[in-house]
Amino acid sequence: AQTVTQSQPEMSVQEAETVTLSCTYDTSESDYYLFWYKQPPSRQMILVIRQEAYKQQNATENRFSVNFQKAAKSFSLKISDSQLGDAAMYFCAYRSPNFGNEKLTFGTGTRLTIIP
Amino acid sequence: DTAVSQTPKYLVTQMGNDKSIKCEQNLGHDTMYWYKQDSKKFLKIMFSYNNKELIINETVPNRFSPKSPDKAHLNLHINSLELGDSAVYFCASSQTGSNSPLHFGNGTRLTVT
Repeated sequence: AQTVTQSQPEMSVQEAETVTLSCTYDTSESDYYLFWYKQPPSRQMILVIRQEAYKQQNATENRFSVNFQKAAKSFSLKISDSQLGDAAMYFCAYRSPNFGNEKLTFGTGTRLTIIP
Repeated sequence: DTAVSQTPKYLVTQMGNDKSIKCEQNLGHDTMYWYKQDSKKFLKIMFSYNNKELIINETVPNRFSPKSPDKAHLNLHINSLELGDSAVYFCASSQTGSNSPLHFGNGTRLTVT
């Protein structure tokens, strides 16, 4: 079974600065998908960014980018120019491509605080 | 247009009661899920349906019974509610066989007193 580990329960960053959230995972599959979701206090689950394991290029979405290290099974999220609206719980998630196992397996989350 | 909608948003009930949560998606996806988020914010899969057929059934008490009348709907019925059932329940949908992410509803906060 796949597992996802987020070792930072809480992080804080000054507004406009850059912060990196860590995520590692364990799997025996060679192909899979990785995601970062954001959950603000409204509790809505919002997709931040996704990465296919077969792609070597790191995904980028505006101020959000990932550092995907397949051999190390690491998938960190970098948030540049942090804004107050970035304050939320961030969840790393793994998804198998195999039918019947396409659920998302989540890490325990990192609570990100933005300091004005 | 709401992509994944679930009702109600809040549900407060007493121990022993039976309650249902409804979910509908208008994204044309063929797979739907129920997730439970506990008080520590941990999200865990409960069930998954593909084209109305149950494909994932994690270790969930028999008091929880999902029902999918069609691929756009997935409801969750809970019998004999217990204090430990208090949580936020999320419905989600996705498309099989692609890198499509899960799209989540806004969650139902269930409080059992």
